[in-house]
Amino acid sequence: ELKVEQNPLFLSMQEGKNYTIYCNYSTTSDRLYWYRQDPGKSLESLFVLLSNGAVKQEGRLMASLDTKARLSTLHITAAVHDLSATYFCAVGRNNNDMRFGAGTRLTVKP
Amino acid sequence: GAVVSQHPSWVICKSGTSVKIECRSLDFQATTMFWYRQFPKQSLMLMATSNEGSKATYEQGVEKDKFLINHASLTLSTLTVTSAHPEDSSFYICSARDLQNTGELFFGEGSRLTVL
Repeated sequence: ELKVEQNPLFLSMQEGKNYTIYCNYSTTSDRLYWYRQDPGKSLESLFVLLSNGAVKQEGRLMASLDTKARLSTLHITAAVHDLSATYFCAVGRNNNDMRFGAGTRLTVKP
Repeated sequence: GAVVSQHPSWVICKSGTSVKIECRSLDFQATTMFWYRQFPKQSLMLMATSNEGSKATYEQGVEKDKFLINHASLTLSTLTVTSAHPEDSSFYICSARDLQNTGELFFGEGSRLTVL
């Protein structure tokens, strides 16, 4: 059974600081997703990673994928308050759906 | 880009009644849609895979008689919560994959159900 473990679960950081969120998964997959969710809202797609060594960046967020280690990271650079949200990683399954990590609730303080 | 729309956005109902939530793919056809449930401060849990023209596939522990799924067309899947109880109160999110174009998975806006 595919398991997705995300850590940390909660993260409070100061503006301007850097941090990395980790996502480990238990079985082989060819798709790794990162989503952002604001309170009361649905999911916003951030990144889709499809191959080993893939790295994608958008603004202050950068995601990477190591399929051999079954690990993806979401790195936050020089955090700002607007990044406060819950971030989910999700791993694709064969039937086209995905299994989600528990989420990382990020709070960026001024 | 492709859009998946859910209706209603939020609904409050009395215990024992049934509630229907619609999920529509607005500009693409989706032979498969997925229904998720999210309790407060928790992750999304897949409930079932909705297949156009056939029975839905339910995840272990999800009661198929309680959560009725109908995928009657290539653009519409419905989730009906039958005889709802307060413990069914949750955020329900659907998703659909645009296989004709990019293959990207799109999520609906979510439907918040509160059962009194």
